[in-house]
Amino acid sequence: GQNIDQPTEMTATEGAIVQINCTYQTSGFNGLFWYQQHAGEAPTFLSYNVLDGLEEKGRFSSFLSRSKGYSYLLLKELQMKDSASYLCAVKDSNYQLIWGAGTKLIIKP
Amino acid sequence: ETGVTQTPRHLVMGMTNKKSLKCEQHLGHNAMYWYKQSAKKPLELMFVYNFKEQTENNSVPSRFSPECPNSSHLFLHLHTLQPEDSALYLCASSQEQGASYEQFFGPGTRLTVL
Repeated sequence: GQNIDQPTEMTATEGAIVQINCTYQTSGFNGLFWYQQHAGEAPTFLSYNVLDGLEEKGRFSSFLSRSKGYSYLLLKELQMKDSASYLCAVKDSNYQLIWGAGTKLIIKP
Repeated sequence: ETGVTQTPRHLVMGMTNKKSLKCEQHLGHNAMYWYKQSAKKPLELMFVYNFKEQTENNSVPSRFSPECPNSSHLFLHLHTLQPEDSALYLCASSQEQGASYEQFFGPGTRLTVL
């Protein structure tokens, strides 16, 4: 079966750095996506990785290792507005997105 | 209107009712999706339309019936639902159903089945 694993919940302090991990086992791989979802709102796109390595976009970076079936989302200089759920999703060989259950990130002052 | 819109935002219905959810995208995309989101569970893909043709039906019960009259509009018709169908129903669109195309989501319809 296909599976995406990520921690259920994480807590971090305002101004700090947090890393949210995602491991996957899917039938084929056509890229990995990270989305942010604030409570009661739609998921919004953060990043896309298809090749190994680190993609940096402002305070957010995403890393991929295809050989290990592993990705992480790195958030720097945390702000209170970063409190949200972060969803990891992989496109399989049929171009279907397989989703993780999301990581709820709580930012404390 | 911009992006992806969904109506209604909230819906309460009895098990014998018939209702429809509406989604509209203003992005010029060719693929549209229905997802079900339940608390602490992964997003469940229900249906996919690519260039108005249904390309995916992930073993969804027949009490859910999709309709895609054109590439901008998507409906989900509901009838004789069960309480376990209560969830957030999200609509999304993308340029096409391909590898690198990100999906843009609507705000969702919060459905409660009594």
